[in-house]
Amino acid sequence: DTEVTQTPKHLVMGMTNKKSLKCEQHMGHRAMYWYKQKAKKPPELMFVYSYEKLSINESVPSRFSPECPNSSLLNLHLHALQPEDSALYLCASSQDGGQGEINTEAFFGQGTRLTVV
Amino acid sequence: AQSVTQLDSQVPVFEEAPVELRCNYSSSVSVYLFWYVQYPNQGLQLLLKYLSGSTLVKGINGFEAEFNKSQTSFHLRKPSVHISDTAEYFCAVSRKAAGNKLTFGGGTRVLVKP
Repeated sequence: DTEVTQTPKHLVMGMTNKKSLKCEQHMGHRAMYWYKQKAKKPPELMFVYSYEKLSINESVPSRFSPECPNSSLLNLHLHALQPEDSALYLCASSQDGGQGEINTEAFFGQGTRLTVV
Repeated sequence: AQSVTQLDSQVPVFEEAPVELRCNYSSSVSVYLFWYVQYPNQGLQLLLKYLSGSTLVKGINGFEAEFNKSQTSFHLRKPSVHISDTAEYFCAVSRKAAGNKLTFGGGTRVLVKP
């Protein structure tokens, strides 16, 4: 199984709503990532979890709250978003979990297309 | 810090013609290099990667890339494209001990015409 599964595929939410994006992988990867991709732009890293601990937060606003309940799951909790937060949110995972390990490729999910109204 | 420049934002090409997508990077340390493809409304799929060893890397779907350390380049090529190769292509770099943090180039949109 070399898949990263993201749910839901599409999400429309109001600015006062609370919602969550979910990501799951069963490849035994110990690093998981959230990326944000605006239209016609490259993905931008938001968060990195290594061995279920948050290791990188790229100065993301607090209305985005990541959570890694276990090594297979990654959530992104959303609250009080703005219309400019509308984007494709990509989850990824990779084999290495941090410093000193051989770097390998990241496997990406299909993304959740989020629209904030 | 590292950066990636994809020199062409769009590349139109006829079916069965060759294509080359250019990628240059800058980094103060050794990097690993990747090419990803993104089809419309999809996630990213790895085409190929360079970690070490032979500088000519072969990937999926007939793509290959050559790592040139002196020119800090990692150009992607395919000798004969298909309509199905129409997609966005991203060059990316990461360095060891950075938690596999990928830095992407701006992307190159390939449009294959019949």
